[in-house]
Amino acid sequence: RKEVEQDPGPFNVPEGATVAFNCTYSNSASQSFFWYRQDCRKEPKLLMSVYSSGNEDGRFTAQLNRASQYISLLIRDSKLSDSATYLCVVNKGGSYIPTFGRGTSLIVHP
Amino acid sequence: DVKVTQSSRYLVKRTGEKVFLECVQDMDHENMFWYRQDPGLGLRLIYFSYDVKMKEKGDIPEGYSVSREKKERFSLILESASTNQTSMYLCASSSSGTIEQYFGPGTRLTVT
Repeated sequence: RKEVEQDPGPFNVPEGATVAFNCTYSNSASQSFFWYRQDCRKEPKLLMSVYSSGNEDGRFTAQLNRASQYISLLIRDSKLSDSATYLCVVNKGGSYIPTFGRGTSLIVHP
Repeated sequence: DVKVTQSSRYLVKRTGEKVFLECVQDMDHENMFWYRQDPGLGLRLIYFSYDVKMKEKGDIPEGYSVSREKKERFSLILESASTNQTSMYLCASSSSGTIEQYFGPGTRLTVT
């Protein structure tokens, strides 16, 4: 099993839709989780951290499910500008070495 | 506002050349990282450093070396470039005790 796995997509959704991505991780000792956004031919940019209790930032909600070892990102009311690749990152258990998923591609169409 | 800069956006080198990629961060971060990103393979960690003069191998260190002589600067060296090192190279930095990283704009290296 890969350390961090994401469905590559693409997820093709209309404007205004709600879309959710999951990211599974294999090491139960991992305790640090983030979501990044990467636009085509650009560097990844931090989107949000993922807290145990879940957290929300505007239209974006991140959640952690420790029992099933996955994190999720929910985007409500999708905008055309949300089209990007979304990367999850998890620390290698017991360290601060990051491991990135391969990303999920989102395409929001009019 | 964190700023991570990389010496070149685009670079073309010939097989066998020695290649230096430089990365500078201005936020006094302890940790610095070098990744390569290839279609379908995602971000793969080459080397990282937790302190000056300190380096650790990542997942794919073969064919690369690094240097960290100053806290703000982390260099990636390709001793003898090969065509399979054609890729996007991304540098990142973070404070100690977190994996919250900030990335530079990347260097697209082509080895012919």
